[in-house]
Amino acid sequence: DIQMTQSPPSLSASVGDRVTIACRASQTISSYLNWYQQKPGKAPKLLIYGTSNLHFGVPSRFSGSGSGTDFTLTISSLQREDLATYYCQQSYSNPFAFGGGTKVEIK
Amino acid sequence: EGQLAETGGTLIQPGGSLRLSCAASGFYVSVNYMSWVRQAPGKGPEWLSVITSGGTTYYADSVKGRLTISRDTSKNTVYLQMNSLGAEDTAIYYCARRSNWGSGDAFDIWGQGTLVTVSS
Repeated sequence: DIQMTQSPPSLSASVGDRVTIACRASQTISSYLNWYQQKPGKAPKLLIYGTSNLHFGVPSRFSGSGSGTDFTLTISSLQREDLATYYCQQSYSNPFAFGGGTKVEIK
Repeated sequence: EGQLAETGGTLIQPGGSLRLSCAASGFYVSVNYMSWVRQAPGKGPEWLSVITSGGTTYYADSVKGRLTISRDTSKNTVYLQMNSLGAEDTAIYYCARRSNWGSGDAFDIWGQGTLVTVSS
């Protein structure tokens, strides 16, 4: 099975900062990488699919990049409503594993 | 856009059985891949099972033999039968639609989740 590892586990940044979250797969997954945002007490929501495609209604300050085993989620200008935990997930092969998450806090 | 609503979560003793339900609205479960995903306290989501549009089922190795996914297309509802529950099954259980977006599949619609607590 493919394992997904995220870093850092948590980060604290100020409003307006550029934030980067890394995700690494234990083997190549081509571009089959999704990102989810989970706000406290809520279900995860699809943010980005296929490495770099924004889901409906996702603000353009979010972007994704990478291929193979290394991927990145970037928030270009952090907003207060971005307080959440972010998860990557591979869709290359079953089982569709998730990363351990990165908790984003606002300074 | 569609919605999902899970029910059936509760406090249950170790060794017990439980059936969760997931009612869909705004789309048909019969033509979609429907999954169950759980999230233990403080942990990341864990994919458990999927039922394809054709009715084929797949399970994570960690739950194979104890969990059974099924659907009732007349009720537009998906189920998860869980047997031999242990403390490690304590989690929020989510139902999610898996869709193909041309760049791989993703879970694009999630329910609000239902809490299962296994404890004596």
